[in-house]
Amino acid sequence: QAHLEQSGAEVKKPGASVKVSCKASGYTFINYRISWVRQAPGQGLEWMGWISALNGETKYAQKFQGRLTMTTDTSTSIVFMELRSLRSDDTAVYFCARGIAGFDPWGQGTLVTVSS
Amino acid sequence: EIVMTQSPATLSVSPGERATLSCRASQSVSSNLAWYQQKPGQAPRLLIYGASTRATGIPARFSGSGSGTEFTLTISSLQSEDFAVYYCQQYNDWPQTFGQGTEVEIK
Repeated sequence: QAHLEQSGAEVKKPGASVKVSCKASGYTFINYRISWVRQAPGQGLEWMGWISALNGETKYAQKFQGRLTMTTDTSTSIVFMELRSLRSDDTAVYFCARGIAGFDPWGQGTLVTVSS
Repeated sequence: EIVMTQSPATLSVSPGERATLSCRASQSVSSNLAWYQQKPGQAPRLLIYGASTRATGIPARFSGSGSGTEFTLTISSLQSEDFAVYYCQQYNDWPQTFGQGTEVEIK
């Protein structure tokens, strides 16, 4: 069945960048878009954007425009999410999820901690 | 952006009882609404999409209803594994937005 495996936890300083990977397996990679959602500690869910695994088309939430980039590598079925100019309020668990209308399945999440 | 408001924030229910969770959109989202369950330390799990269609493998005790701006998730007979936080999400308009969650706790 479909499975998404994310890269491990990261600790970054303010102003740095982080790149999180999400490897897909168990389904035809190019048939789906991948969405990214984050969750700050003890908080709710925040949609960040999606990327088409077929052609790399992206759609980002306005609040991340200019410092968020999503890319894909179809040879390895991996999607990458890079967030730049990190701030302390970017500390969160970042999830990838398959689809854009009902996310299923989700990756296990990657904790990104931004601290000086 | 569309604001999703869930109520109540916390719902105390005894095992075997029925739970009814509400989600209201600040403007119509048609039937483009999903429900998720999240347990501590885990990723969310899709329960319902299209407002009323159960995702693969989801037990029949979970049901969704509504359209437009008012939606309901019903758990007909709560099992021990159902105590969790539940989120609604609209995907009718950009940005997609989530409700703040309803925690279902053991009474």
